[in-house]
Amino acid sequence: AQSVTQLDSQVPVFEEAPVELRCNYSSSVSVYLFWYVQYPNQGLQLLLKYLSGSTLVESINGFEAEFNKSQTSFHLRKPSVHISDTAEYFCAVIKGGSYIPTFGRGTSLIVHP
Amino acid sequence: GAGVSQSPRYKVAKRGQDVALRCDPISGHVSLFWYQQALGQGPEFLTYFQNEAQLDKSGLPSDRFFAERPEGSVSTLKIQRTQQEDSAVYLCASSSRAGTTDTQYFGPGTRLTVL
Repeated sequence: AQSVTQLDSQVPVFEEAPVELRCNYSSSVSVYLFWYVQYPNQGLQLLLKYLSGSTLVESINGFEAEFNKSQTSFHLRKPSVHISDTAEYFCAVIKGGSYIPTFGRGTSLIVHP
Repeated sequence: GAGVSQSPRYKVAKRGQDVALRCDPISGHVSLFWYQQALGQGPEFLTYFQNEAQLDKSGLPSDRFFAERPEGSVSTLKIQRTQQEDSAVYLCASSSRAGTTDTQYFGPGTRLTVL
């Protein structure tokens, strides 16, 4: 069975600092990778996804993630965070041939002024 | 509305009671998923519908859990004889196509507390 590891349960940073949220998954022949964000009292929203092609994917609000097959990782990065980025971030993986995602336990990003 | 809605948003049940949780997906979406999210954990898959057909129920934790989507739109997740371990947030998500990696749109969830 596929597993997803988000080692950091909480990441506190100051506003305008860079941040990296880590995600590793158990290896498979092919995978599709996702990052979701959950703001307080809201549902999960897709932030970005990797299905194929360029290993670097970007979101509209400045986040990016890079698929690294050799390290089975899909870390999420942002060069300069805002207070409004404070939220829970979930990494998810779908094994090739499936449509059911396996989620990590989430990382709480806390941006301090 | 434009998004996925769920009701009720909060439900408190006494142990042994039956509960029904409703999901209204985005109109026209073929696929519908239910997830269970325990405190401090990520969502875990429960069941999947393609239109009215329940194609996968491998994640349902016991036979006390039952889901339906009779007309291929609204779905109901029913939990019979609730137990304390059923306390969680139940999430519903829909996507426009069937069996693909299409973007899933999530509802806000129903927080179930079993006393």
